[in-house]
This record gives sequence, structure tokens and C-alpha cells, in this order.
Amino acid sequence: DAGITQSPRHKVTETGTPVTLRCHQTENHRYMYWYRQDPGHGLRLIHYSYGVKDTDKGEVSDGYSVSRSKTEDFLLTLESATSSQTSVYFCAISDSDASSYEQYFGPGTRLTVT
Amino acid sequence: KNQVEQSPQSLIILEGKNCTLQCNYTVSPFSNLRWYKQDTGRGPVSLTIMTFSENTKSNGRYTATLDADTKQSSLHITASQLSDSASYICVVSPYSGAGSYQLTFGKGTKLSVIP
Repeated sequence: DAGITQSPRHKVTETGTPVTLRCHQTENHRYMYWYRQDPGHGLRLIHYSYGVKDTDKGEVSDGYSVSRSKTEDFLLTLESATSSQTSVYFCAISDSDASSYEQYFGPGTRLTVT
Repeated sequence: KNQVEQSPQSLIILEGKNCTLQCNYTVSPFSNLRWYKQDTGRGPVSLTIMTFSENTKSNGRYTATLDADTKQSSLHITASQLSDSASYICVVSPYSGAGSYQLTFGKGTKLSVIP
């Protein structure tokens, strides 16, 4: 998985609780992304980062926030989890912008909100 | 709206047989098209990436073709193996200059190879 780890790999939480997912890379890639994958949908971009402290929204960003204080770590936070956020979350990295360069994906985090 | 449609949704083939997966897209302007393989419970892994000027690209038993005029791509798998059982995802990158981050993902074709 190209030097990308995600933690936790599985999590069950209750509606209304905050949740933070972590993505850690050892490739020193500038760009990092958070996606969610749901049945019947392709992967959808939540947020991305193009450098330390530089982040922006993707197409499904409502209810999520991110932070990147170090090159290697990209955190995804659900401030108050809802059942609609039950999903598999993937982190991805790339050396440059997604349009031209290969993206490498982490192993995923399966989140269940009850 | 940019869209990527894949067919079939699922496919079952016998080990050793060939198969072809289809991808149609409406993304325009177009930068490149990628095929990913996703094993159950794992993240997608890149198989090929083609720019609009490339017609075909191979990666071992996987051969992708691209027709930018008709906005169609296919992924051909030769002499299938049990380890080919996975979802195959077509991904299109629109061209919008430097700093483009939004890829358009298809929903995938789930391939099952049986003995």
C-alpha cells in the first residue's frame, strides 16, 4: 500500500460522538486525500490537502473537517457522527496534483455509526 | 456533469478464460484515464494510466484500450486467474489546468473467477 497506513482499521461508534481517522504516509508526497466508498457509488472525495496546513473541500465535505500539521499525517474528523457517515474511508497520496499523477491508496477504515 | 459508467456491473468467468470490461465517460476536457484493481477489503491499486493520445497500454495480462473520440475504454484480461477476482474501477481525470484534484470514479465491475 505504498507506505500508507490508516488507523483505526475498523471502528464502531454511536451517533453524535466525534471520530477522528488518521492517515500516515512515509513517501513524503505533497498531496493527500480522503475519500469515502459506499455501495452503489464510486469513490467520492471528501477533502484534500496540497501541503502542510493547506486543505480544501471535495464534493462530499459536509459534516467532515481535516487537518494537516505535518507532511506525513492527514486527519479526518467527524465532529458529530451520523448514520449516513457509515462507510469505508480511504486515504490516498500523490506526488503532485491528481489530474496528472498517480494516486496511491491506503488500506481503508471501515466506520460504522450506530 | 462528469460521469463514468462501467459495464457489466458484475461478471463471472472460468479460470483461464479471457474477459473484457467496459468504461464509457462524459468527462470533458479530458486529461487521462486510469484502471484500478480493488481486492475485497483493500484499497484500489493502479493497473494502467493513459493520456488522451494513447490508444493502448498493457500491464502483464491486463491490456487497456482508449478511444478518446467515442469516449470509451476497455480493460481486457487474458488467461484469467483466481487472483483476478476483484472489483475493477475506471477513473477519469478532467483537465482543468495545474492543481486539479477532482477525479471521476466509476462504480466498478465486480469480477469473479471460478475454478
